[in-house]
Amino acid sequence: GAGVSQSPRYKVAKRGQDVALRCDPISGHVSLFWYQQALGQGPEFLTYFQNEAQLDKSGLPSDRFFAERPEGSVSTLKIQRTQQEDSAVYLCASLRDHDTEAFFGQGTRLTVV
Amino acid sequence: AQSVTQLGSHVSVSEGALVLLRCNYSSSVPPYLFWYVQYPNQGLQLLLKYTSAATLVKGINGFEAEFKKSETSFHLTKPSAHMSDAAEYFCAVSDHSGGYQKVTFGTGTKLQVIP
Repeated sequence: GAGVSQSPRYKVAKRGQDVALRCDPISGHVSLFWYQQALGQGPEFLTYFQNEAQLDKSGLPSDRFFAERPEGSVSTLKIQRTQQEDSAVYLCASLRDHDTEAFFGQGTRLTVV
Repeated sequence: AQSVTQLGSHVSVSEGALVLLRCNYSSSVPPYLFWYVQYPNQGLQLLLKYTSAATLVKGINGFEAEFKKSETSFHLTKPSAHMSDAAEYFCAVSDHSGGYQKVTFGTGTKLQVIP
């Protein structure tokens, strides 16, 4: 596709359930970021990949959060044992290189009930 | 550490009036500065960015922003608001110290355009 694609668009999880959020970046884009956007807030950095290497995971809020990009393309953000405070929109962005424009997906809205 | 502060979570302007969205930044190194727009249920779209070239940056949709180091500001303006400008706008800063764009966003300003 032409842009960054995220799936699912909406996810409702029961507290304690594990979820997996997918990001399909623009083909050939080296850099990939995940952000968490809580209601009424700006996006907050979670983690950064350059190809398959996770170079920065300093923004992951707890060890329940895990991200991977095993082949340097599609990335998955996994949240284990979801809590209500995990409710947010999770945004993925890809860049052709580390210093070019970031293109954002539409996000996955996660609601934990 | 880097941060941005957006003054005013909601701004209302009349159609055809000047748009002014305020942003102040804090950065320990020369910053890269960005403005993004987010329409409902959409991802973020880059409006413009400052990367230490010209201090007056022109972006898409008639928006522009001026980098003022003395005021640590990067306010976004548009001479004449259009109904289609109604959206949420985020100011952001990146210091590139890690060799990549680790961007810190502000809390956003929702722009309402009144007919």
